[in-house]
Amino acid sequence: VQLMQSGADVRKPGASVKVSCRTSGYSFTAYFIQWVRQAPGQGFEWIGWTNPKTGDTRYADQFQGRVIMTRDTSVDTAYMELTSLRHDDTAIYYCASDPFDYWGQGTLVTVSS
Amino acid sequence: DVVLTQVPSSSPVALGQPASISCRSSQSLLHSDGTTYLSWLQQRPGQPPRLLIHKVSNRFYGVPDRFSGSGAGTDFTLEISRVEMEDLAIYYCMQATHIPITFGQGTRLDIK
Repeated sequence: VQLMQSGADVRKPGASVKVSCRTSGYSFTAYFIQWVRQAPGQGFEWIGWTNPKTGDTRYADQFQGRVIMTRDTSVDTAYMELTSLRHDDTAIYYCASDPFDYWGQGTLVTVSS
Repeated sequence: DVVLTQVPSSSPVALGQPASISCRSSQSLLHSDGTTYLSWLQQRPGQPPRLLIHKVSNRFYGVPDRFSGSGAGTDFTLEISRVEMEDLAIYYCMQATHIPITFGQGTRLDIK
C-alpha cells in the first residue's frame, strides 16, 4: 500500500492550493481518505474525509466553505483543495487511508506574501 | 469537540526500561456501535505518522509486541515494555469516535 502526495507548494495569501494523493496497492474505493495537517512544530488538525466510492465528504467546521475534497477513481487519486489561504495555513498536509493505517509522505504548503 | 490530554508531555527514559503514556478524553470514546475508536500514532522526526495501535489495544501490522495499548471510556494508556533507540519519537493519541476527529498534543519520548 502506498499513498504518494504531490510536491511542496508556495502560495500567496488569498490563493488556493490543491494537493493530490495517489494511491496504490489496495482497492481505492474500499476505504475513506482522511486529510489532516500539521503546522510547523505543532500537533495534528483534522480537515475532513472523502469517500472514494461515492464522492461523499465530511469537513471539519473550521474548514467548511474553504476546502473541497474530490477524487478521480480512474487514477485512484484523492484531492484536497484549500482556498482563501492565510499565513496560518502553512503546514504539512497529509492524506491517510481510513483508519489512518497508511499515510502519504506529506505535502508542505507554505503561504507567504 | 473532544479534548485529548496526554501525560506526560515529555518522557526521558533509559534504553531497555519501560515507558507509559496516558491519554485522557473529555468524554467517553465508546461509539454507539460498541467500538472505541482510540488509536496511537508514532512520529519520528521528519517522517509522517505511523499507526501503532487502533481500537484501544490492537497492534497494527508489523508493530513490535513491546507496544501495547489499554483502557476504556475516557482513560487510555500506551506502554512500551523495553524502550529501544528506534522508539525515540513523539507519540499521539487520536480519537475517531466523535466528529471532529481530534488528537492529543503529543508526548516526546527521549533518552534519559
